[in-house]
Amino acid sequence: EAGVTQFPSHSVIEKGQTVTLRCDPISGHDNLYWYRRVMGKEIKFLLHFVKESKQDESGMPNNRFLAERTGGTYSTLKVQPAELEDSGVYFCASSAMGQGNYYGYTFGSGTRLTVV
Amino acid sequence: LAKTTQPISMDSYEGQEVNITCSHNNIATNDYITWYQQFPSQGPRFIIQGYKTKVTNEVASLFIPADRKSSTLSLPRVSLSDTAVYYCLVGSYNQGGKLIFGQGTELSVKP
Repeated sequence: EAGVTQFPSHSVIEKGQTVTLRCDPISGHDNLYWYRRVMGKEIKFLLHFVKESKQDESGMPNNRFLAERTGGTYSTLKVQPAELEDSGVYFCASSAMGQGNYYGYTFGSGTRLTVV
Repeated sequence: LAKTTQPISMDSYEGQEVNITCSHNNIATNDYITWYQQFPSQGPRFIIQGYKTKVTNEVASLFIPADRKSSTLSLPRVSLSDTAVYYCLVGSYNQGGKLIFGQGTELSVKP
């Protein structure tokens, strides 16, 4: 079974530019999450999709961040325009419905975003 | 969601047993205790989960006392490859709830 795939693995962009991160969850996983870790801080929750619907977006920092999950499959996280404080590692995770208490969530390797 | 407290760092040597204790005084009745492991340049990886007493799998054991206000992750005979950050999380995830990460415990295994 393929794991959670994220790309790009690294992205370096200039302040003010736009970047789109992509996450492919494990096939069949209805739950998809975005998290991020900025330098020296803890991993923080951003957003939770159930299929194509946003279940919880309480962690999204501001309206420069837009997450989508068209068709309930892969998801994209767009940052527009990027600011220096957006630098960090963005993780995607997925889980099957009703199984979070048994098998945990599967994380991707993350996208390291550097805004210069 | 219950807050967790665990040591910031621990050192060990190859072949030793490592026990990492996590306190979660405000754990709720429906909450499970879950531990994740994270290697550099990778995402967190689920290693073990429990509700009460003891749980064991091929990677680790998890000990949970009757009051469930703390838990101990036990790694038997660690190797250099067990060097990682270990996170203790508490919550109920059957409905897909978000994970709340603390600082984790940075375990360093030395030869």
